[in-house]
Amino acid sequence: DADVTQTPRNRITKTGKRIMLECSQTKGHDRMYWYRQDPGLGLRLIYYSFDVKDINKGEISDGYSVSRQAQAKFSLSLESAIPNQTALYFCATSDRTSGRDNNEQFFGPGTRLTVL
Amino acid sequence: AQSVTQLGSHVSVSEGALVLLRCNYSSSVPPYLFWYVQYPNQGLQLLLKYTSAATLVKGINGFEAEFKKSETSFHLTKPSAHMSDAAEYFCAVSRMDSSYKLIFGSGTRLLVRP
Repeated sequence: DADVTQTPRNRITKTGKRIMLECSQTKGHDRMYWYRQDPGLGLRLIYYSFDVKDINKGEISDGYSVSRQAQAKFSLSLESAIPNQTALYFCATSDRTSGRDNNEQFFGPGTRLTVL
Repeated sequence: AQSVTQLGSHVSVSEGALVLLRCNYSSSVPPYLFWYVQYPNQGLQLLLKYTSAATLVKGINGFEAEFKKSETSFHLTKPSAHMSDAAEYFCAVSRMDSSYKLIFGSGTRLLVRP
């Protein structure tokens, strides 16, 4: 079984709809991240969380919100989806016991979101 | 502020040829550097990382990278390309603060010709 799972894998929605992307992990990691990937732009950080009570904005958090329901679950919401939020979204995890020099992040398979 | 630049959004090589993917970083302090690979329809997988130990870092699948402080570079190489190496490759630098965030380059898509 995959250590980091994302649901759904693909989603097509319409402008103005509320969308939730879910991420679950069985790695026991405390840190979780949400990124979006756009062609030619690499990955950009939306939100990150170090534990259930510690949630932080990344570089492109406008239009998004998150919820850390448990150590293993981190959800990303688009309150009112717009077409320029069409992208590939990745969840990632890392382990607090690793220092900054070992900040290897483990990625889920991604969710491809299309907003019409 | 730290940043990462990957030169060449697409690189095409013949099977068996040398692979060279370029990454330059900007950092006021010694960075920690990573290369990730993304195969089609998959998430990112760590290839290798530099954490201030040996400057020549060996990773999985025959890839290696050399940290050159004077050139602020961390280029990824493989002596002989295989068809299965076709993927997108991302260079990343770890933020030198308590955020533990990674800053990614824009990616390089490697095409391998038969």
